[in-house]
Amino acid sequence: DAGITQSPRYKITETGRQVTLMCHQTWSHSYMFWYRQDLGHGLRLIYYSAAADITDKGEVPDGYVVSRSKTENFPLTLESATRSQTSVYFCASIRDRGDEQFFGPGTRLTVL
Amino acid sequence: DAKTTQPPSMDCAEGRAANLPCNHSTISGNEYVYWYRQIHSQGPQYIIHGLKNNETNEMASLIITEDRKSSTLILPHATLRDTAVYYCIVSLGGSQGNLIFGKGTKLSVKP
Repeated sequence: DAGITQSPRYKITETGRQVTLMCHQTWSHSYMFWYRQDLGHGLRLIYYSAAADITDKGEVPDGYVVSRSKTENFPLTLESATRSQTSVYFCASIRDRGDEQFFGPGTRLTVL
Repeated sequence: DAKTTQPPSMDCAEGRAANLPCNHSTISGNEYVYWYRQIHSQGPQYIIHGLKNNETNEMASLIITEDRKSSTLILPHATLRDTAVYYCIVSLGGSQGNLIFGKGTKLSVKP
C-alpha cells in the first residue's frame, strides 16, 4: 500500500543496546523527518533529510544517528540506548514544495 | 520553544462548531500558520494552513486576524471523532519549515 510506514511498531530493549527504527515511504518525497514525543510534550525534531545522502540535525539529535542511502528509507539508530530515549518516535515526509507533512503511525520504544 | 500559545483544553458539544484559538504574536511576515491534530496514539494529521487570508477546506476553516498575531481554527460541525489534540504551528512552510510542536489544545467533543 502507498504511504509511510514504520517498523517495528513496538520495541522493548535494554540500556546500552543498539536499536534501529525503520521508516519507509512510497511517494518518493524528498524530505523526511524524525520526531520524538514524550508524555505531556509535543513532538520534537531529531533529524531531517532533504534528499538521499543529505541529513541535518534537529532540536534533539544527541544519541541518534540517521542515514539516507535511498530516497524511500530513513532509518534512525540509537547507538547505545538510554532510558531517557524511551519515547514514541514518528517519521514524516513532505514532497518538494509541498505544504503537508505526512506522518507515520509511530514506534513506541521502551528502554529498560 | 513553540512560537504559539494555545489553551490546554476545550470542550465542545457534538454537532456544534468548535473554535480553537491560537496566539502567535511574534510571527514574521513569511511564516505560515499550520494546524495539525493528533488523535490518541496516532501520528499527527495535517488540517489546514494559511498565510494572511482566511482558508477553508473540507475539514476546517482558518481565520487569521489582520495583524496576523492570532488565528482561530473552526471545525463547523464537531463529531466525536474530532476529539484530539490540536496543534497550532508557525512555520516557514513546506520543506523549509521544520514543525515545532507545542503542547496543543486537547479538544473533547461530548455527546
